[in-house]
Amino acid sequence: KAGVTQTPRYLIKTRGQQVTLSCSPISGHRSVSWYQQTPGQGLQFLFEYFSETQRNKGNFPGRFSGRQFSNSRSEMNVSTLELGDSALYLCASSLAGIAGGPDTQYFGPGTRLTVL
Amino acid sequence: AQSVAQPEDQVNVAEGNPLTVKCTYSVSGNPYLFWYVQYPNRGLQFLLKYITGDNLVKGSYGFEAEFNKSQTSFHLKKPSALVSDSALYFCAVRPPGANNLFFGTGTRLTVIP
Repeated sequence: KAGVTQTPRYLIKTRGQQVTLSCSPISGHRSVSWYQQTPGQGLQFLFEYFSETQRNKGNFPGRFSGRQFSNSRSEMNVSTLELGDSALYLCASSLAGIAGGPDTQYFGPGTRLTVL
Repeated sequence: AQSVAQPEDQVNVAEGNPLTVKCTYSVSGNPYLFWYVQYPNRGLQFLLKYITGDNLVKGSYGFEAEFNKSQTSFHLKKPSALVSDSALYFCAVRPPGANNLFFGTGTRLTVIP
């Protein structure tokens, strides 16, 4: 079974631009979560989507948004990019039919975003 | 509130020796605990998780972890370290009623040949 895929793997943008990252979950997984990884803040949860609905959200500004499609693929968008948005953005998928259950999240390789 | 602490930023161990990477947690209710490993320029790879039952959990690549409720710890262990085990290790906890994970700050493991 194919793993979680993320595109693109690397991205360079300038301040003020916007960016869209894509994630394809493992086949059959309906929950997709997004995380930001930076050297200073570590791994931080952005949001989770399940059945095309945002089910949970972390503490990030409204410039960070996401959506999920009927095939469970997800995109996240960052508008008005700031230097501090430079990070590795990780997507994770799981079965997660019930929020808070023991299902494992499987991570993709990430998208490395650099904001100049 | 939930939190995870990995008290050691760096752990060095000689190849063939046992290794331990420490993790303590704070969460309300019964915790779901996870260990992940990250190699350079890669995502996180799942190693093992504790749900309930036996306090010793066995996972991938010969790793195991011991859950200790009284000490609120979930230390990762391996009887004999390999150079290829050198990587960044993250402990994580899932809060009740949510699917997201709270991660520790990570421990960089270096296995010395």
